Amino acid sequence: DAGVIQSPRHEVTEMGQEVTLRCKPISGHNSLFWYRQTMMRGLELLIYFNNNVPIDDSGMPEDRFSAKMPNASFSTLKIQPSEPRDSAVYFCASHPDRDHRGETQYFGPGTRLLVL
Amino acid sequence: DQQVKQNSPSLSVQEGRISILNCDYTNSMFDYFLWYKKYPAEGPTFLISISSIKDKNEDGRFTVFLNKSAKHLSLHIVPSQPGDSAVYFCAENTGNQFYFGTGTSLTVIP
Repeated sequence: DAGVIQSPRHEVTEMGQEVTLRCKPISGHNSLFWYRQTMMRGLELLIYFNNNVPIDDSGMPEDRFSAKMPNASFSTLKIQPSEPRDSAVYFCASHPDRDHRGETQYFGPGTRLLVL
Repeated sequence: DQQVKQNSPSLSVQEGRISILNCDYTNSMFDYFLWYKKYPAEGPTFLISISSIKDKNEDGRFTVFLNKSAKHLSLHIVPSQPGDSAVYFCAENTGNQFYFGTGTSLTVIP
């Protein structure tokens, strides 16, 4: 398996523009997580899906952020409008089964976002 | 407030010596703790985990110790190698959730 795939790897945009980040989880995994990495807060959970259904979106910063998982092999994280404080590395991770306690998540390589 | 804390942002160790990375937590009802290693421009990768019912788990050069009374765990790397230079995250797995610390950047000096 190719692992978790994220695109784009790098994104530079101007304040106010819409940004869409994409993720393809590992085939057969039924949980998907979106994280944001910052120096202050480390790896911060934004939203978590199980079987394509959002389970916990309490980490989504505000209404400018939205995430979808239309099917088991694809998810998007959208920021509209983007702001400079959204600049961070965004990771997607998939997990085999929510009931497999202690089993690791598998992370994608991340998308480095810079909002000017 | 952070549920999992890594209070040392960075650590430097000589090659061959022991590296000790620390993590403190607040939640008493967890299932597992996991340690991840992250190289620049890559996602975190799993290193080692420990169940809440154990106090030690060892895998080669890596050993994780869990002190439940102090709500503290540590990762020992012996001997440290230059290739171990990376950012290390501890993560608490409780139910279906993972709570990460802010990371410790380890530099192993040749």
